Amino acid sequence: GENVEQHPSTLSVQEGDSAVIKCTYSDSASNYFPWYKQELGKGPQLIIDIRSNVGEKKDQRIAVTLNKTAKHFSLHITETQPEDSAVYFCAATGGTSYGKLTFGQGTILTVHP
Amino acid sequence: DTAVSQTPKYLVTQMGNDKSIKCEQNLGHDTMYWYKQDSKKFLKIMFSYNNKELIINETVPNRFSPKSPDKAHLNLHINSLELGDSAVYFCASSHSKGAEAFFGQGTRLTVV
Repeated sequence: GENVEQHPSTLSVQEGDSAVIKCTYSDSASNYFPWYKQELGKGPQLIIDIRSNVGEKKDQRIAVTLNKTAKHFSLHITETQPEDSAVYFCAATGGTSYGKLTFGQGTILTVHP
Repeated sequence: DTAVSQTPKYLVTQMGNDKSIKCEQNLGHDTMYWYKQDSKKFLKIMFSYNNKELIINETVPNRFSPKSPDKAHLNLHINSLELGDSAVYFCASSHSKGAEAFFGQGTRLTVV
């Protein structure tokens, strides 16, 4: 089955800095890679996603890149703000997994004012 | 309007009891899921239903039984609760296989 590794487990940055979170996956059949943000006491919220036919996608301060050959994808947040502080999860699905999301271990991002 | 709603939000119960968690989505999705988030925040799928049909059943004890009366609802019943069942359970839905999944706010289950 699919295995997703996510790094770092914690990330602390100053407001205005950039933050990068990296994930690797094992199943070459995976073709959909979403990123979720989870705030305290809430459910995961989809913030951006990328499909395997695209190498990069950007939405305002958030971007995701995908390297299918190396089987890794990354989340980039620019001009971080204190409200970006949360737990971020990467995930992968596709192939025969029928929509089952395999999640990374999560990254606790703290943005200091 | 809440897209994916779960009830209850908090559930505290004694070992050995039977409890249910309800989930409803008003997004018109045809696929629903149950995920478990452990104390280390790790999210793992438990079950998935597509149009009321069970399509994913991970290695979950038989004490856990999902039920989908219609494609907008997916409930989770847990028999003979154990201490290790304490976790946050999330319901989610998506429009089709592999598409964007939307999560509920979670049910924090504490077994004492």
